[in-house]
Amino acid sequence: AQSVAQPEDQVNVAEGNPLTVKCTYSVSGNPYLFWYVQYPNRGLQFLLKYITGDNLVKGSYGFEAEFNKSQTSFHLKKPSALVSDSALYFCAVSPSGGYNKLIFGAGTRLAVHP
Amino acid sequence: ETGVTQSPTHLIKTRGQQVTLRCSSQSGHNTVSWYQQALGQGPQFIFQYYREEENGRGNFPPRFSGLQFPNYSSELNVNALELDDSALYLCASSYQSQGVEKLFFGSGTQLSVL
Repeated sequence: AQSVAQPEDQVNVAEGNPLTVKCTYSVSGNPYLFWYVQYPNRGLQFLLKYITGDNLVKGSYGFEAEFNKSQTSFHLKKPSALVSDSALYFCAVSPSGGYNKLIFGAGTRLAVHP
Repeated sequence: ETGVTQSPTHLIKTRGQQVTLRCSSQSGHNTVSWYQQALGQGPQFIFQYYREEENGRGNFPPRFSGLQFPNYSSELNVNALELDDSALYLCASSYQSQGVEKLFFGSGTQLSVL
């Protein structure tokens, strides 16, 4: 079965430190990969996507993600965390390409402490 | 903002009732998808409509149904509500322009079934 795993329910990091939010996937073929962020009482906001090409993808708000095909991972990273980055982060895949029928992970709550 | 508006923002129903959730997208957004996000979970794909026809469905029973209208609005209908239907329901619409596809999520409707 196709799935997305986010192994950490919560990630805690001090402001100014680098952060990593992990994601692995189990999907056949060459899926599109995404990261979304969700703030309280808000919908999902797009951060970045990987389709093909360079394994390091840069996105909004200084976030980037590294695609690793052999490990089927797509970890989200940021060199220097801000308190305002505290939110719920979702990794998603589209097995058929495009934005169709996204499969989401369970989410990781990022807490950045001053 | 995303240009995707969902109504109502909150709704309380009792088990066995029927509910209609609404979504309004921007002009030109030919594809609309609905997702269910249970508490502490990632969004799950319910179904997708393209030009008023259903063109994909997730693992949801037939009592979940939808409509898409020519004015880029859409509805999600749920019959015979069950307690487990309590969740945040997200609408997402997308369009393609010059080979680039973009997806926008609404802020969701929080449905509570008592």
